[in-house]
Amino acid sequence: SQQGEEDPQALSIQEGENATMNCSYKTSINNLQWYRQNSGRGLVHLILIRSNEREKHSGRLRVTLDTSKKSSSLLITASRAADTASYFCATVKGSARQLTFGSGTQLTVLP
Amino acid sequence: DGGITQSPKYLFRKEGQNVTLSCEQNLNHDAMYWYRQDPGQGLRLIYYSQIVNDFQKGDIAEGYSVSREKKESFPLTVTSAQKNPTAFYLCASSFPGEHNVLTFGAGSRLTVL
Repeated sequence: SQQGEEDPQALSIQEGENATMNCSYKTSINNLQWYRQNSGRGLVHLILIRSNEREKHSGRLRVTLDTSKKSSSLLITASRAADTASYFCATVKGSARQLTFGSGTQLTVLP
Repeated sequence: DGGITQSPKYLFRKEGQNVTLSCEQNLNHDAMYWYRQDPGQGLRLIYYSQIVNDFQKGDIAEGYSVSREKKESFPLTVTSAQKNPTAFYLCASSFPGEHNVLTFGAGSRLTVL
């Protein structure tokens, strides 16, 4: 079952602009992770935020988590053409720590 | 270099044939996973294994089978019972601890002719 749903489904911006993607989920979680997928390739882990954290930074990435609204956002600052990819949120829950992925946001950064 | 190797990268199958996708990791990870991805969609869990000789069904296990005879290997067989097998298949592994961060292979694209 799809736990996370990303919004928007597709986003197109100019190089240098910021890109914001949102993820909503339905049940309580242990942590939430963001992954990136280049076309036709495997996913790469970007950042993890624990359920007791509200914000986390890694380089040009900023993730927020609002457990009361069951939502998270991923902000990529000063985007580059190389950031063009699909971005997925994944929620981790339960004793088995299973990941459930959303449907993804396709980000296109125009040079 | 440590990582996960999936093979083949592309595979074509006739209807009614079984095919096996290979997944090998040298990360010493205990847990391994198989996901299916359809165009424009997220990943759906097929099977996972947290320890050798043990595995559990995921959300869409029907028509698939797996084995985990070695820690490094987790092959997936797509059987003729799988009604719509054309998809992109991703293998992943992890240390199944608190955070469970997955490392993915490059994927195998299966097309049924």
